[in-house]
Amino acid sequence: GDSVTQMEGPVTLSEEAFLTINCTYTATGYPSLFWYVQYPGEGLQLLLKATKADDKGSNKGFEATYRKETTSFHLEKGSVQVSDSAVYFCALKDTGTASKLTFGTGTRLQVTL
Amino acid sequence: SQTIHQWPATLVQPVGSPLSLECTVEGTSNPNLYWYRQAAGRGLQLLFYSVGIGQISSEVPQNLSASRPQDRQFILSSKKLLLSDSGFYLCAWSVTGTGMWTEAFFGQGTRLTVV
Repeated sequence: GDSVTQMEGPVTLSEEAFLTINCTYTATGYPSLFWYVQYPGEGLQLLLKATKADDKGSNKGFEATYRKETTSFHLEKGSVQVSDSAVYFCALKDTGTASKLTFGTGTRLQVTL
Repeated sequence: SQTIHQWPATLVQPVGSPLSLECTVEGTSNPNLYWYRQAAGRGLQLLFYSVGIGQISSEVPQNLSASRPQDRQFILSSKKLLLSDSGFYLCAWSVTGTGMWTEAFFGQGTRLTVV
């Protein structure tokens, strides 16, 4: 079945540091890929997405490129801020009527001054 | 615009007590609906999904059940809570139809603590 593997957290960075959160997936067919963010005490918000190979999703300075050859969708940001502290989830969407999202375990990011 | 409401935000329940969490969606019709659980130190686990009224699919056998009595209402229930039911429960919706799917929209979540 489908699965998503994320790097273990927590990740602690200083403000303005470069961020990479690794994500790899296993799926049949051609899934769509997503990064969701969960700020403390809140639900999940879509951060960015990519629907086909070589697509790059971007939002709020974050980027991720859909790499079919390496089955990866790594999240990057050139300069993190304290306000980026949150839990980040990589996810994929299978095909089918229900269009379920399969999530990774999440990576907690803590940005300090 | 579409909105999703989930309540209560927090809940503390004794072991063996019943549970009812409600989720409603506004501004759309015939959505796909989902219940996810996020246990401490773990990722998001899909518990149930529904593609229509009265249609419930269970992803993981457990102490919980779900119902969809109306098109935009999704309820998560338990007759007797276990300690292991503690976690953060998230309701979500998405449009129906593979070609129209863009993203899943999540509610604010319910933090359930079973004591």
